[in-house]
Amino acid sequence: DAKTTQPNSMESNEEEPVHLPCNHSTISGTDYIHWYRQLPSQGPEYVIHGLTSNVNNRMASLAIAEDRKSSTLILHRATLRDAAVYYCILISSGDKLTFGTGTRLAVRP
Amino acid sequence: ETGVTQTPRHLVMGMTNKKSLKCEQHLGHNAMYWYKQSAKKPLELMFVYSLEERVENNSVPSRFSPECPNSSHLFLHLHTLQPEDSALYLCASSQDWVHYNEQFFGPGTRLTVL
Repeated sequence: DAKTTQPNSMESNEEEPVHLPCNHSTISGTDYIHWYRQLPSQGPEYVIHGLTSNVNNRMASLAIAEDRKSSTLILHRATLRDAAVYYCILISSGDKLTFGTGTRLAVRP
Repeated sequence: ETGVTQTPRHLVMGMTNKKSLKCEQHLGHNAMYWYKQSAKKPLELMFVYSLEERVENNSVPSRFSPECPNSSHLFLHLHTLQPEDSALYLCASSQDWVHYNEQFFGPGTRLTVL
C-alpha cells in the first residue's frame, strides 16, 4: 500500500499561514491525496483532496508537487479552532480510508 | 438534526454485558462505516456497509456484530467485550462506497470496558 509520512507535530501562531507537509514517494497514478483533520473530542472531518492539480476550497489549499511525491496542506490564516490532528491519506478507487498518525497542529494565540 | 449522529456518546460496560451503539445519518448517503480509535493508535476501519449490504469486514472479532437495517441507520452490537476494546468508536457515511468520496464522521461513542 502507498504510505504517507508526516511530521508528528507542528506549531503555528494565530493569524499566520501554516504549511503542513506530507511525503508520499510511492504514490501510484490512481491515488488521490486526501486530507482530514480531527479536532479534540470530535470525529475526523474532510478538509480537501486532489489528484494532480493544486486545489482550493473555503477551508484550505492543497499544493501537489509536480512529481506527486509530496503535497502540502496550506491554512492561510491559522485560528485557535484549527488546532487539530491533520491526516494525509492516499486513496484509490476501492481502497480503504487508512489513517496514519497524522500531524498534531498547535496554534499559539 | 443534520449530519451523522451517534448514541450514546459515552458508555461504560462490564465484560459480561450486552450493549449496542447506534449511528444515524441524515445525508441521504448509501455507504456507512464503523471505525475504532484506540489511545495513541491510528483509526482502524472495522466494517463497511453499502446499500445495507456488508462489503468489508476487517478481521474484527465476533464479539462485535454490526447491523444495517436501512441506509440511514447502523448499529454495532457488543457482547463479552474485553478491557482492550475500550476505545472511541466512530461512525461515518459517504455518498457511495467509492472511497475517494468525502466521508462524514459522527462525534463517536467513548466506550470503557471494565
